[in-house]
Amino acid sequence: DVKVTQSSRYLVKRTGEKVFLECVQDMDHENMFWYRQDPGLGLRLIYFSYDVKMKEKGDIPEGYSVSREKKERFSLILESASTNQTSMYLCASRVPGQGYGYTFGSGTRLTVV
Amino acid sequence: GQQVMQIPQYQHVQEGEDFTTYCNSSTTLSNIQWYKQRPGGHPVFLIQLVKSGEVKKQKRLTFQFGEAKKNSSLHITATQTTDVGTYFCAGSNGQAGTALIFGKGTTLSVSS
Repeated sequence: DVKVTQSSRYLVKRTGEKVFLECVQDMDHENMFWYRQDPGLGLRLIYFSYDVKMKEKGDIPEGYSVSREKKERFSLILESASTNQTSMYLCASRVPGQGYGYTFGSGTRLTVV
Repeated sequence: GQQVMQIPQYQHVQEGEDFTTYCNSSTTLSNIQWYKQRPGGHPVFLIQLVKSGEVKKQKRLTFQFGEAKKNSSLHITATQTTDVGTYFCAGSNGQAGTALIFGKGTTLSVSS
């Protein structure tokens, strides 16, 4: 089975801190994604990457950046954490093309105080 | 931009009753996928529909893709307590370099 591993399950950070959320997948998937999930808002796409060193903005990229230096790792960076970035962050990966679903990690619940 | 709307937001049923969630897109979709998220868990891929009018079944779950490829539904027959969770639809316009757009999900609760 494909595994998508997110480095932290729970994280508490202070306002203004730079925060790194790490995601690693073990199946050589080209496509990787970062979503945030908030009650009543569903999953919203922050950034995605369809290859190493490639990145595309999603629907809500403001306040975030990403890094994809290696195929298996996709990092989400909060440049200066704010309380409105308190959320559940979900990383996903998939094989490109039709017919393949996303495999999600277990999520990181980030609280910014 | 592309939007995917899902109704209802919440649904409570008695065990054994049927359940349906509906998904509508503002644009024609290349394909639609369905995911289930158990409480405290992460979304898990259930199925993908690609063809206009396609119907697929997984045991008590029936998935449909509309003729115009702008809407979809998930129907569960005779719900069980194990069906509890949030069901998401997610659509793609099929263009290279695009990602799935998720609906807000329907949260199903089942009482025995």
